[in-house]
This record gives sequence, structure tokens and C-alpha cells, in this order.
Amino acid sequence: AQKITQTQPGMFVQEKEAVTLDCTYDTSDQSYGLFWYKQPSSGEMIFLIYQGSYDEQNATEGRYSLNFQKARKSANLVISASQLGDSAMYFCAMREQRAQKLVFGQGTRLTINP
Amino acid sequence: NAGVTQTPKFQVLKTGQSMTLQCAQDMNHNSMYWYRQDPGMGLRLIYYSASEGTTDKGEVPNGYNVSRLNKREFSLRLESAAPSQTSVYFCASSDQLAGVNNEQFFGPGTRLTVL
Repeated sequence: AQKITQTQPGMFVQEKEAVTLDCTYDTSDQSYGLFWYKQPSSGEMIFLIYQGSYDEQNATEGRYSLNFQKARKSANLVISASQLGDSAMYFCAMREQRAQKLVFGQGTRLTINP
Repeated sequence: NAGVTQTPKFQVLKTGQSMTLQCAQDMNHNSMYWYRQDPGMGLRLIYYSASEGTTDKGEVPNGYNVSRLNKREFSLRLESAAPSQTSVYFCASSDQLAGVNNEQFFGPGTRLTVL
């Protein structure tokens, strides 16, 4: 069965520092996708970045990159040069090829300090 | 484009009351989803619709019904609300169901409290 684990309930980082948010997953499928979403205090879900299981390169989107280690089943989100506006909940999610849903982790609350 | 819209934004119900949450998308997506998010938790899938005219259960369907009215609209109904259904409800849509790489676009959420 699909499972996503985010082990960091909360993280505090100084502005302009880089931050890594951990995500490990469990699946028996060979084909799957990994997603990161940001949820600010206003509540909306904002898509950040996607990594496919067959992608050989780590995904990057601006200041976001995904450190994908397939053998370890980890898909950590790296935010470079953090900004105050990065303070939010961050969710890792996975979709298997055969499944009809995204499975979400419990999230990490990131706080950026000035 | 408005993307995914949901109504209402907030609702307070008494135990046993019924209500329907509305969702519409203007991106011509085939697939639509309803999730709930409980405090401090990730999202859990309630129901989804792969295409107009089809619906299937997700992880937590008990106490809910859905209707895919047309390609744009997907509603969620609580027939007899219970305090355990107090949650934030998100509607989402995506371009195709089977692919792993299709991003889901989320609505702004409905905050429901059942007293």
C-alpha cells in the first residue's frame, strides 16, 4: 500500500538559509510520481514540484529542488535562499500508476525567522 | 480562468443536518476529487470522479455522497452531518486520471463545523 512519511512536524530556519524537508515513501509499484505542495496560513494548496520515478534527473523549479533517492525511497524538498513568505505547511504526496489518488504525508510546518 | 471554485467557504451545521458542497472547474479537466483535511493532518481522499458520469470511493467515503453533474461540476453531500465530519474540505481536478504526472489543482477549501 502507498504510504508517505514526513518525520519533521516543524522546522525553524533563518531567512536566506537553505532548508531540506524530509519525505520517505513506500510503494511496490515501479511507476509512481512524487509531489510537493505548499499550504500557507490562508489554506490553499499550491503545487510546487513533481518527480517521476523514472526521471533520472532531480526536478527543479526555481528555488525548489527535489532530492530524489530512489533506492532509499526518499524525496526531500530543498528550498534554497529561504524567504519569509516560505513560512507554511509543506506536504509530500505520491501517486502510483495503478492508484486513483494522491496519498499525502502529515506535513511539515516551516517557519522562516527574520 | 478561475481554476477550481468551491462554495460555501464556511459553514456551521447542527448534528443531523444535511448540506451540499459545490465545486466547479473551468480547466476542462476530466478528473475531479474531494478531500478532507483534519487539523494537523494531510489530505485524505473521500470520493473521486474519473470522468463525467462516473464516481468511485476513496479512503474515507462513509457519511458522504457525490454527484458528477457534468464535466465542470462535482458536488459532495452530507446527508446527516456528524461532529466527526468537522473538517476542511478541498475539491481538486486534474487533466487525466491514470497518469502519475498529472498535477492536481485545488480549490480554496470549505471550512465545515458540525456542532
